[in-house]
Amino acid sequence: NAGVMQNPRHLVRRRGQEARLRCSPMKGHSHVYWYRQLPEEGLKFMVYLQKENIIDESGMPKERFSAEFPKEGPSILRIQQVVRGDSAAYFCASSSDRGLTDTQYFGPGTRLTVL
Amino acid sequence: ILNVEQSPQSLHVQEGDSTNFTCSFPSSNFYALHWYRWETAKSPEALFVMTLNGDEKKKGRISATLNTKEGYSYLYIKGSQPEDSATYLCASDKGAQKLVFGQGTRLTINP
Repeated sequence: NAGVMQNPRHLVRRRGQEARLRCSPMKGHSHVYWYRQLPEEGLKFMVYLQKENIIDESGMPKERFSAEFPKEGPSILRIQQVVRGDSAAYFCASSSDRGLTDTQYFGPGTRLTVL
Repeated sequence: ILNVEQSPQSLHVQEGDSTNFTCSFPSSNFYALHWYRWETAKSPEALFVMTLNGDEKKKGRISATLNTKEGYSYLYIKGSQPEDSATYLCASDKGAQKLVFGQGTRLTINP
């Protein structure tokens, strides 16, 4: 059973470009979470999605950031018009169902560098 | 306590010694406490999910305890080995699946 997959692992963008980060959850998992780790900081929650639904986006910046988890295919975190402050490691996690002892399984992350 | 706090920030332990470190979290509206082990350039690896006050969980040489009333959890490693070197993260879950992470304890095992 493959783990959570993220691609690309490293992404370099110039200011003003768009960044698309992909996350394929573990097989059988229908819940996806995105977290961000800014330099010298801990992991911070961004958004929680189920298939075709955003459940909680309270951690997402209000502008330029969006996330989706379509019926088919991976979850996408999209950052439009990137700025230097978006440089960070973006981690995706998935879980199987919303039970009391849900474990979130993490992917290896995408490291975004904005030049 | 408003945030999740871990101490110490870093720790150097001699191979073979046992060690422990602390995670403090808000005790109000507690739902679950997660522990992860994170090696550099790898995915955070889930260790434990703890929900009940007084709970103790064990995985090999690693164990964890939970006190939900006072808002702390201890992680213990018995007989440290070089492969235990990693950052250990704890995260509080208030039931919304939105994990709030501590800054981690960076453990280095000296051979």
